[in-house]
Amino acid sequence: DAKTTQPNSMESNEEEPVHLPCNHSTISGTDYIHWYRQLPSQGPEYVIHGLTSNVNNRMASLAIAEDRKSSTLILHRATLRDAAVYYCILRDVRQAGTALIFGKGTTLSVSS
Amino acid sequence: EAQVTQNPRYLITVTGKKLTVTCSQNMNHEYMSWYRQDPGLGLRQIYYSMNVEVTDKGDVPEGYKVSRKEKRNFPLILESPSPNQTSLYFCASSHTLADSYNEQFFGPGTRLTVL
Repeated sequence: DAKTTQPNSMESNEEEPVHLPCNHSTISGTDYIHWYRQLPSQGPEYVIHGLTSNVNNRMASLAIAEDRKSSTLILHRATLRDAAVYYCILRDVRQAGTALIFGKGTTLSVSS
Repeated sequence: EAQVTQNPRYLITVTGKKLTVTCSQNMNHEYMSWYRQDPGLGLRQIYYSMNVEVTDKGDVPEGYKVSRKEKRNFPLILESPSPNQTSLYFCASSHTLADSYNEQFFGPGTRLTVL
């Protein structure tokens, strides 16, 4: 799997938008960009994924650069419950069902 | 409710005493796997299974065994636990369709301490 680079930590205030960046300069044409998060004392949970176009779901939005070498996870209004480690992971569509390669992720802190 | 369950959630044991951590999913997923999470090392895959009776090693399989006799269950077996297997363990499952949407569902975790 291609490598991703994320900042170690970010801080946000409650009710404010949060933009979590991810660089993946060696992404291939068959790599999907997935985001997972891990809340304290819980297992990882899926957040969102995309290939080329921006994506929205009930949890977040994913903005993908035109050259696909970077992406940004957007939490529109951070809540205290969004404090977690966020992982940006590339998944090759040809490798369905294989291991997720978790890096160190970005630890998001949210203050009230 | 779609979920992955693990038991026990917490376990303290002694070196050499065989133990089994169970994992069950109710989503009819073909793929199941075990990860361990350690500070500074992140999550690493131990074993995985693409379907019933099909298992394979992940990145850190030493000291572990698995079996997949039924689709819904994927137990992790430590025949002779050692202190370096003290860790937080997660079971995960997903469909294995060659599809971009192969979201993996994770269990709540089992915190194992081997004395």
